[in-house]
Parts: sequence; structure tokens; C-alpha cells
Amino acid sequence: AAGVIQSPRHLIKEKRETATLKCYPIPRHDTVYWYQQGPGQDPQFLISFYEKMQSDKGSIPDRFSAQQFSDYHSELNMSSLELGDSALYFCASSLQNTGELFFGEGSRLTVL
Amino acid sequence: LAKTTQPISMDSYEGQEVNITCSHNNIATNDYITWYQQFPSQGPRFIIQGYKTKVTNEVASLFIPADRKSSTLSLPRVSLSDTAVYYCLVGDRVRTNAGKSTFGDGTTLTVKP
Repeated sequence: AAGVIQSPRHLIKEKRETATLKCYPIPRHDTVYWYQQGPGQDPQFLISFYEKMQSDKGSIPDRFSAQQFSDYHSELNMSSLELGDSALYFCASSLQNTGELFFGEGSRLTVL
Repeated sequence: LAKTTQPISMDSYEGQEVNITCSHNNIATNDYITWYQQFPSQGPRFIIQGYKTKVTNEVASLFIPADRKSSTLSLPRVSLSDTAVYYCLVGDRVRTNAGKSTFGDGTTLTVKP
């Protein structure tokens, strides 16, 4: 069965650079979520989209933005990167009324 | 938001039954309880979800008392591969289960030979 696809799997950036992460949800899933998980920490909810509209916002820094496109894929844009942005970034998708989230394998961002 | 409280860690041995309890005293009427499992450097994986009483699937059971202020995830006959972090989430299933109830402090389960 198709799963959530995230790219790139690994990304290395310098401070103050910009990074873009991509997420391709499971086909027919209408909701996409982004999470950030620092080393040894629990996943922190950043933002979610339902039918291409932002539905919930968590602890997403102002330097970050995200959107969902017409083909339902989503992108997380991170600018002015800081060392503390180094983390695993997970994307998840779901059907809105199920509450069951399917997570991708994550994108590991390292900021040097 | 319904805050959840779980034990930070638990140890068990292969073949034993493990019960992890989650407290959620301010759970709302529309809230469901969902459990996820996470291995290192992997995304969380859905285990089970319930609203009240008991729910069972092929990997776990979920027990929810009548007042719904707590829930217990039961893993029968654990193996070494069940060593992971387990998260209890409480949220409105219709809107966004995880968006309104962020992953709190999970329980690190260590299964020993």
C-alpha cells in the first residue's frame, strides 16, 4: 500500500540558509500535518492543512511557512535557519474523520 | 486541550503483558483516545483508538473506564521488538486528532530478554 512520501530524507544546510521539505500524502487523504522532533524530544505539532487550507497551527516559527498544493502534496519552507532547527521533520496524512495519522519516514535536517 | 500524563518509562520482559496507563482528567465529550508507537528515527505508528469501554485489534487492547479520565494500553506477550516510545493522544477525531492534542511525554518501554 502507498505510504506518505517525504523528500529529501536528509538535508544539510548552513545557518541563515533556506530549506524546503516536501510531503506526498497517501492518495485520497484530505489532511496533512507537519511535526518537528528534536533529538531526544517528542514530536511537536507545527501546522496542518485540510483540503489545501490551513486548518490548525501549532508551534511553528514565523521563519517557517507551509502550503498544500492542488495535487495535495505539501511543502514546508524554512528560512534563516538556526542551529536549533536541526531535527527530524515528519509529515503525516489522514482522512479528516478518522483521527488515524499515517506518518512518513521523516526528513532529517542538519544545520551547521 | 486535554493534557495527558503517562509514566516516563517502563521495563518488562519478553512474553509478559504490559499495561501503560494514561491520565486525561479534562477529556472533552467529543474527544477520542489514540495511541501511537515510535521507534528511534521513525515516524509514529498508529496502534489503536477508542472512545469508551474496550477496543481490541490484532496488536493491542485499549481499556477506557466509564468516566474516561484515564485509559490503559495493553500489549499482550511483548517481545524485544516492542521496545519503543508509546504516546497517548486525546483529541477531537472529527477535526484533527493530533493537531489539537500534541504529542506529550511518551512512555519509553524497554523489553528485556
